[in-house]
Amino acid sequence: GAVVSQHPSRVICKSGTSVKIECRSLDFQATTMFWYRQFPKKSLMLMATSNEGSKATYEQGVEKDKFLINHASLTLSTLTVTSAHPEDSSFYICSAKGLAGVLEQFFGPGTRLTVL
Amino acid sequence: SQELEQSPQSLIVQEGKNLTINCTSSKTLYGLYWYKQKYGEGLIFLMMLQKGGEEKSHEKITAKLDEKKQQSSLHITASQPSHAGIYLCGADSGGADGLTFGKGTHLIIQP
Repeated sequence: GAVVSQHPSRVICKSGTSVKIECRSLDFQATTMFWYRQFPKKSLMLMATSNEGSKATYEQGVEKDKFLINHASLTLSTLTVTSAHPEDSSFYICSAKGLAGVLEQFFGPGTRLTVL
Repeated sequence: SQELEQSPQSLIVQEGKNLTINCTSSKTLYGLYWYKQKYGEGLIFLMMLQKGGEEKSHEKITAKLDEKKQQSSLHITASQPSHAGIYLCGADSGGADGLTFGKGTHLIIQP
């Protein structure tokens, strides 16, 4: 299957700083990328959907100014957690969807963010 | 919005025994995914079902989607320690949205 990478896999930052997480589709063009968040011992919750070249669509309750998403190319989407706080600590996973008509989403390995 | 009920929430099974995890949707599913996860790690894709009545198997894991496309089950035969982990079902509504996930089933295999 297709490969999606995420970088970094783990990041620790100080409160108030911003952190950027990259999601790349390595061997296919991702027309749509999704960002999920997982709290400890909880399921994955969709945060936002991004389509290449357009603004991301955020789920209800997700602050778009807090979680900036950029989908600048068909192989790269970035999630920037701005002015991070300890409550932003979580596991963030992206997924990518490619060609129209191909149902399957391919998930990245996730990024563990810890805000001190 | 799509809601997925996954049961049981946790399951302790003796090694070698069979087990079943269920996933029920409030709406007709366009696609249903099964993933395995060890907490804090990425998702391992198991199977994806799209057609009513579809059944897929991989090694000792079988997933089924009912005819109405609202309920799916994941069955593990002769469980092994390597099967331990969190199993998640995810629903695709068929639109441009991401997946909606169930709350997961935490599977423990006792030797």
